[in-house]
Amino acid sequence: GAVVSQHPSWVICKSGTSVKIECRSLDFQATTMFWYRQFPKQSLMLMATSNEGSKATYEQGVEKDKFLINHASLTLSTLTVTSAHPEDSSFYICSARPGKRANEQYFGPGTRLTVT
Amino acid sequence: SQKIEQNSEALNIQEGKTATLTCNYTNYSPAYLQWYRQDPGRGPVFLLLIRENEKEKRKERLKVTFDTTLKQSLFHITASQPADSATYLCALRVGTYKYIFGTGTRLKVLA
Repeated sequence: GAVVSQHPSWVICKSGTSVKIECRSLDFQATTMFWYRQFPKQSLMLMATSNEGSKATYEQGVEKDKFLINHASLTLSTLTVTSAHPEDSSFYICSARPGKRANEQYFGPGTRLTVT
Repeated sequence: SQKIEQNSEALNIQEGKTATLTCNYTNYSPAYLQWYRQDPGRGPVFLLLIRENEKEKRKERLKVTFDTTLKQSLFHITASQPADSATYLCALRVGTYKYIFGTGTRLKVLA
């Protein structure tokens, strides 16, 4: 149980284009989903917290107009990287919290974004 | 400044031995601390959660301790196996269900 999927697993796009990454909780409802970014040999950096039906809360230094997050249902959140640049190339990982009182979070397999 | 430190150097140990990984933090008072395993190119996998009022937590071959005075957590894997080779991350709860992650320690268990 507690499986989270991400799609696509990897994507290559040209500079200036937009890319959408989907995060789905497959066998549970996620009241909260988190989006992280991880650069090589570095830790996961929390980008934003997304609650179903409300606006995402972004961490300091993360541009909300560049990283659009939509949490349309209890099982789906999307991250859209708009006008991508090579410096946005990274490993993007989502996680989902199963229930209002759950402390654990379950991570997706990640999406490798390369901007050329 | 707030900081979470894990040994950045890789830890190599012989199969069958106990691996001990350290997570130190400053300027936090987390109510919860978690440990995750991450394999290359994959998302982290939740292993254990320990609360601030718990000194120790066990799950099969895993043991976590949490010393809020020292601001330190130790993560032990007993009878280690090559399959335990991975990067292990600690994470502190710093807000409402919000966690901050350490940089991780890469463990390699040698056969």
